[in-house]
Amino acid sequence: DVKVTQSSRYLVKRTGEKVFLECVQDMDHENMFWYRQDPGLGLRLIYFSYDVKMKEKGDIPEGYSVSREKKERFSLILESASTNQTSMYLCASRVSGSETGELFFGEGSRLTVL
Amino acid sequence: GQNIDQPTEMTATEGAIVQINCTYQTSGFNGLFWYQQHAGEAPTFLSYNVLDGLEEKGRFSSFLSRSKGYSYLLLKELQMKDSASYLCAVKDSNYQLIWGAGTKLIIKP
Repeated sequence: DVKVTQSSRYLVKRTGEKVFLECVQDMDHENMFWYRQDPGLGLRLIYFSYDVKMKEKGDIPEGYSVSREKKERFSLILESASTNQTSMYLCASRVSGSETGELFFGEGSRLTVL
Repeated sequence: GQNIDQPTEMTATEGAIVQINCTYQTSGFNGLFWYQQHAGEAPTFLSYNVLDGLEEKGRFSSFLSRSKGYSYLLLKELQMKDSASYLCAVKDSNYQLIWGAGTKLIIKP
């Protein structure tokens, strides 16, 4: 079974704290993505990576950074968490060159910033 | 701007048929996806349409009309486990995904 694993399902952090969200996939996929999901809004792309050491800004990168040191691992970093970053964070991966571009998602990390 | 519209919530009865609509206005079109997301779980891929017409996959079918900027997901013989959110997403001219807010489907016995 293909699997995308996110390190923490639930986190509670304080304003100003540094937050690491980790994502690991076991499918040898080249492409990885971080989205946030908020009620009433579609998924919004934060950052994506087409391969190791590569990263591209998505639609809402402000306040976030990412790291892709190994092919299977894509980390999302909140340098100084703020209350407006309270959200569900979804990691996804995809094989490069796929005809459909189907995404495989992790179960999400629900972050609350107090 | 780019926009994907879906109904926020729908209710249907177990055993019945339901159609979830999705209309889109995007800069270019390179395919449309439907994903299913149960509460608290990961979205999972249901279907992909890039040409006009109906794609059938078991109890689920997805239809696309590119000229109308319209798609629907048809669920037949509804089961309680079909209670979930259904997400529509369009791949635009830059091959980026634009997502709708999702339709929450409630199935009643």
